[in-house]
Amino acid sequence: GQQLNQSPQSMFIQEGEDVSMNCTSSSIFNTWLWYKQEPGEGPVLLIALYKAGELTSNGRLTAQFGITRKDSFLNISASIPSDVGIYFCAGPETSGSRLTFGEGTQLTVNP
Amino acid sequence: EAQVTQNPRYLITVTGKKLTVTCSQNMNHEYMSWYRQDPGLGLRQIYYSMNVEVTDKGDVPEGYKVSRKEKRNFPLILESPSPNQTSLYFCASSFSKISYNEQFFGPGTRLTVL
Repeated sequence: GQQLNQSPQSMFIQEGEDVSMNCTSSSIFNTWLWYKQEPGEGPVLLIALYKAGELTSNGRLTAQFGITRKDSFLNISASIPSDVGIYFCAGPETSGSRLTFGEGTQLTVNP
Repeated sequence: EAQVTQNPRYLITVTGKKLTVTCSQNMNHEYMSWYRQDPGLGLRQIYYSMNVEVTDKGDVPEGYKVSRKEKRNFPLILESPSPNQTSLYFCASSFSKISYNEQFFGPGTRLTVL
């Protein structure tokens, strides 16, 4: 199946710093999704991207759909302690019936 | 409240002892799915169902069974659990397969197989 590679695997930052993470694939995706998983919870959808080059914001979060369709980026500005969690990128398989997830980026924010 | 529920939340069992993890959603969703989450591997899909009596394999179906007799329920069955099935399991649902981006996840079931 298709594979998504996320980097970095983990990040330790100070409150107030900006964060950037990305997701790459060897094959083309037509949709990119970003989920956040807080400790002890299931993932929750943050942002969905449907068009190459698209830039979408959700509060302090901004995500971009790479122009090659093989990558996506998520930025968090002015991080706060509640941003802690694992951030996953995901994209649908060609058939559209299944989602492939990246390995996740673990974010820790120190107050 | 719209939600996906899973039971149990935590389970410790022994090799070979059959178990079932239940999943239920109250949103009248057509599409349901099971994932397992392991460190460094992200979420991997086990099985999914696009409607009642319709199920299909995901990326890691070996050692698991599912059934979809009713729209709201999608139990995960481990007939003979083994230690390599120790993991965190999530059930998810969405309105239809074409709205996979709007998958709602349950709170997770942490399974330990000794």
